[in-house]
Amino acid sequence: AQTVTQSQPEMSVQEAETVTLSCTYDTSESDYYLFWYKQPPSRQMILVIRQEAYKQQNATENRFSVNFQKAAKSFSLKISDSQLGDAAMYFCACSNTGNQFYFGTGTSLTVIP
Amino acid sequence: DTGVSQDPRHKITKRGQNVTFRCDPISEHNRLYWYRQTLGQGPEFLTYFQNEAQLEKSRLLSDRFSAERPKGSFSTLEIQRTEQGDSAMYLCASSLAWAFNTEAFFGQGTRLTVV
Repeated sequence: AQTVTQSQPEMSVQEAETVTLSCTYDTSESDYYLFWYKQPPSRQMILVIRQEAYKQQNATENRFSVNFQKAAKSFSLKISDSQLGDAAMYFCACSNTGNQFYFGTGTSLTVIP
Repeated sequence: DTGVSQDPRHKITKRGQNVTFRCDPISEHNRLYWYRQTLGQGPEFLTYFQNEAQLEKSRLLSDRFSAERPKGSFSTLEIQRTEQGDSAMYLCASSLAWAFNTEAFFGQGTRLTVV
């Protein structure tokens, strides 16, 4: 089984500033994938960014980037130049073969104008 | 393609009644997942299908829960004799099986309230 821990229930960031959301995970699998999903209020969950565990290079997707520390089993999300539309619940998830996705408890991000 | 759709969006039912939810995945996706999400928690895995075969079920899925995907397309999740503890958001997601790093695309969920 895999577990995903998000230790920050709530975070806030000033518009245009940078914020980092933390995530740690535990898995016995050698091949796995890590994801950050965004869930805006009353809207469906969408993928923000993903990372293949076998890749050493950190994934980047426009203003979103990750800091993947495989040995420490850490997978943090950095949001640069925060925008009002970034306000949402953010879930970290881990999947080995895509059979199922294990999610953390989420971090609620508030963006302050 | 309009993405993953779920019906109904909201359901209020009395304790003891049966309810059924439907999920229509993205058409070319052969994997379909059901998750349950309660307030303040992340989605919890319930079950998943590859085509019409139900390959894995969580221990969370009690005998009162059953899911089907009869033709490998849409899926239904039925809860019999509902209890107040079943109140939650039920999420459906779909993906492509042969790409390990593929993302799961989620629907907007069905919010169940058991009174």
